[in-house]
Formats: sequence, structure tokens, C-alpha cells
Amino acid sequence: DAKTTQPTSMDCAEGRAANLPCNHSTISGNEYVYWYRQIHSQGPQYIIHGLKNNETNEMASLIITEDRKSSTLILPHATLRDTAVYYCIVRGLGAGNNRKLIWGLGTSLAVNP
Amino acid sequence: NAGVTQTPKFQVLKTGQSMTLQCAQDMNHEYMSWYRQDPGMGLRLIHYSVGAGITDQGEVPNGYNVSRSTTEDFPLRLLSAAPSQTSVYFCASYSSLYEQYFGPGTRLTVT
Repeated sequence: DAKTTQPTSMDCAEGRAANLPCNHSTISGNEYVYWYRQIHSQGPQYIIHGLKNNETNEMASLIITEDRKSSTLILPHATLRDTAVYYCIVRGLGAGNNRKLIWGLGTSLAVNP
Repeated sequence: NAGVTQTPKFQVLKTGQSMTLQCAQDMNHEYMSWYRQDPGMGLRLIHYSVGAGITDQGEVPNGYNVSRSTTEDFPLRLLSAAPSQTSVYFCASYSSLYEQYFGPGTRLTVT
């Protein structure tokens, strides 16, 4: 599995865009990038995933570099409720043992009023 | 839809006791997993199941048993609790790998 590197913590002002980076320089061609977040004491929540192309949904946008060695999760208008730990995970979609996600420590995002 | 439910929310055990953490999902998902989360560490996979009757070990399976007799339920059994098993336990279910749905967690303390 490709290893991911994320900053330990970040701050963002409420209403501004939050840009969370993730480095995955050893990613292989068939591995997807997934983002989850965990609000304090709750179970993790899926945000978005992508392979090569940029992706957008109602929660966030995912920008993946052309060489796929890094990506950025963008929360376009951060609110106080977006304060959470954000996890970047890289994994393939194969069967059997591949159906597991390996979690790192994530980025603790604090959205300030 | 209740999603993924876990019981109990909190539990205190003495060393050597056994117990079962319950997990149920109502989304008809094939796959279910159990994770533990300790301070300063990411979620670690304990056991997972790819369907009724089929289970497999994750990263940290020692001291835990699972079974999957129905699609809906995936209980986690602690055979003989140890202080090292003090943790927050999360159950997840999913029909595809990326969008896992997590329960609210069970906070277990072993004294």
C-alpha cells in the first residue's frame, strides 16, 4: 500500500477555503485516493475519492496532481462544523485482502470564527 | 435507515472478563469491518467480513473473535479482556471499498 503524508494540524478561518494537502509519492497506477474525516468522538465519515481526475461533490473537491504523487482536499467555504481530523488514504480496489483501508494519523483541521 | 448501530456505547470490564460488542447494519452491505482506535494512532483493522459466513483477520486480530451468520450482524468477541484492549471500537459496513459507513463507536475500558 502506498504511504501517505499529511501535516499534523492546520487552521482555517470560517468562510474561507480549507486546502488540505496529502503526499502519496509511492502511489501505483491502480490505487485510488480516498478522504475521510472524523469529528471529535464520532465514527469516520467518507468525503470523496478519486483516481486521476479531479472530483467534486456536495462536500468537497479533490485535486490530484498529474503525476498522482500528491493531492489536495478543498473545503470551499469552511464552517465551524468542519473542525475534524481529515484522513487521506491510498488503496486499490482489488478483491480479498485488498478490501482494507490503512489509516494514518490525518490532519487536525481547526476552523476558527 | 438507522445505518450502522453499535452497542453498548460504553463498557468497563475487569481483566479476564469476556464480552461481545454488537454491530448491526440495515443497508444490506456485503462487507463489514471492526477497527480499534487508540490515542495517537490511526484506526487499525481487527477483523473484516466479505459476506455472511466469511471472515478474515486484519492487522491486530489477537484476542478477538468474529462471526458473520447474517448479512446484518457482525459481533466482535473479546475472549479474555486485557488492559491493552482499552480502546474505542468502530464497526463499519460498505458495499464498495471507498464509501464505508461507520457506527458511533464503543468506548471500552479494561481495568
